[in-house]
Amino acid sequence: GAGVSQSPRYKVTKRGQDVTLRCDPISSHATLYWYQQALGQGPEFLTYFNYEAQPDKSGLPSDRFSAERPEGSISTLTIQRTEQRDSAMYRCASSLRESDTQYFGPGTRLTVL
Amino acid sequence: AQSVTQLDSQVPVFEEAPVELRCNYSSSVSVYLFWYVQYPNQGLQLLLKYLSGSTLVKGINGFEAEFNKSQTSFHLRKPSVHISDTAEYFCAVSGSAGGTSYGKLTFGQGTILTVHP
Repeated sequence: GAGVSQSPRYKVTKRGQDVTLRCDPISSHATLYWYQQALGQGPEFLTYFNYEAQPDKSGLPSDRFSAERPEGSISTLTIQRTEQRDSAMYRCASSLRESDTQYFGPGTRLTVL
Repeated sequence: AQSVTQLDSQVPVFEEAPVELRCNYSSSVSVYLFWYVQYPNQGLQLLLKYLSGSTLVKGINGFEAEFNKSQTSFHLRKPSVHISDTAEYFCAVSGSAGGTSYGKLTFGQGTILTVHP
């Protein structure tokens, strides 16, 4: 697509539920990043992909968080058994290659009640 | 490990006045430096970046930044701001080695710039 898109834009869920967030990168981009942004803070790195490979997932806060990009294009971020502290903006970005400029999507605002 | 500190959480300024948003970083490796802007309900947009070469970098919308290695700073400046510059600004770094950037970005906490008429 022309830009990075994310869905849903807003998600409200109850504590303990699982949620899946979706990122559709720019079509020619090999690299895809996930960031978490708490209110009043800058984005923090979660994980990234080069095509379908996931070289670094050091930023995932716990094993409740997982991400995949099975065909090297669309990616999903899943949070199992959500907790209130998971409430944040989740941002996806893509770049042509790992060393190139990252283009960000509009984000998904997750609220866990 | 890398870290970024944006020294001002909020900067109010009048229209047509100059502005400087301050950013300091720490890193054990060479860095690439970035400024992103976030308008309400939009994604982060790249304003400018420093990769190598001239330490004065010019970006979009009349913004510029100067890389100062000795002071580990990358302050953002604009000589005359407009109402439309009201937004949140983020400074970010990524580690580089051998001319290749490791893409993972480390962001500062953000600075909210409010331009008053």
